[in-house]
Amino acid sequence: KQEVTQIPAALSVPEGENLVLNCSFTDSAIYNLQWFRQDHGKGLTSLLLIQSSQREQTSGRLNASLDKSSGRSTLYIAASQPGDSATYLCAVRGNYGQNFVFGPGTRLSVLP
Amino acid sequence: EAGVAQSPRYKIIEKRQSVAFWCNPISGHATLYWYQQILGQGPKLLIQFQNNGVVDDSQLPKDRFSAERLKGVDSTLKIQPAKLEDSAVYLCASSLDRGTARTGELFFGEGSRLTVL
Repeated sequence: KQEVTQIPAALSVPEGENLVLNCSFTDSAIYNLQWFRQDHGKGLTSLLLIQSSQREQTSGRLNASLDKSSGRSTLYIAASQPGDSATYLCAVRGNYGQNFVFGPGTRLSVLP
Repeated sequence: EAGVAQSPRYKIIEKRQSVAFWCNPISGHATLYWYQQILGQGPKLLIQFQNNGVVDDSQLPKDRFSAERLKGVDSTLKIQPAKLEDSAVYLCASSLDRGTARTGELFFGEGSRLTVL
């Protein structure tokens, strides 16, 4: 059974800092992995989707990498801004028709 | 392009009462999901539809939860009777997955926050 963890649970950084959020999964037989952002009291907004054949995806100041063999993905945020403050969740989809399994999220606070 | 629409945004009920949530997915998306998100946790899948058929309802508490997707478009999730532990945000998501064409990207609505007193 796939399990997804995200460490740390919460992170606080000053504005302008580059930061890395981590996502670990136990079963490397994945189809794809998706990163989401969730603002307080809101739904999830898709940030990046990485297929199992890809090593990374980039969108603006965001870069997500995938290392299936080690069961890890990282989300890199460059030049963080207060508007980046939110909870970031990763979700992993298995190869054999399984649905997405979500991590608990990392709550990010970027201080002005 | 319109996103996933959900209503109501908030609902407060007493235990043992019933409640229904509605979802309209992105136009053309064959697959629709209902998730339950408890505070501080990631979403947990309740049920997945492909068109109007159920693909996965293994984690749906069928003694009190039901869902339908008539005509393969919008969907309703019902809870009857509600328990205190059902207090959560109910999220609807959709994706283009159609048969074996698993493009896979999930798009979520704003969610319906349920409080059971």
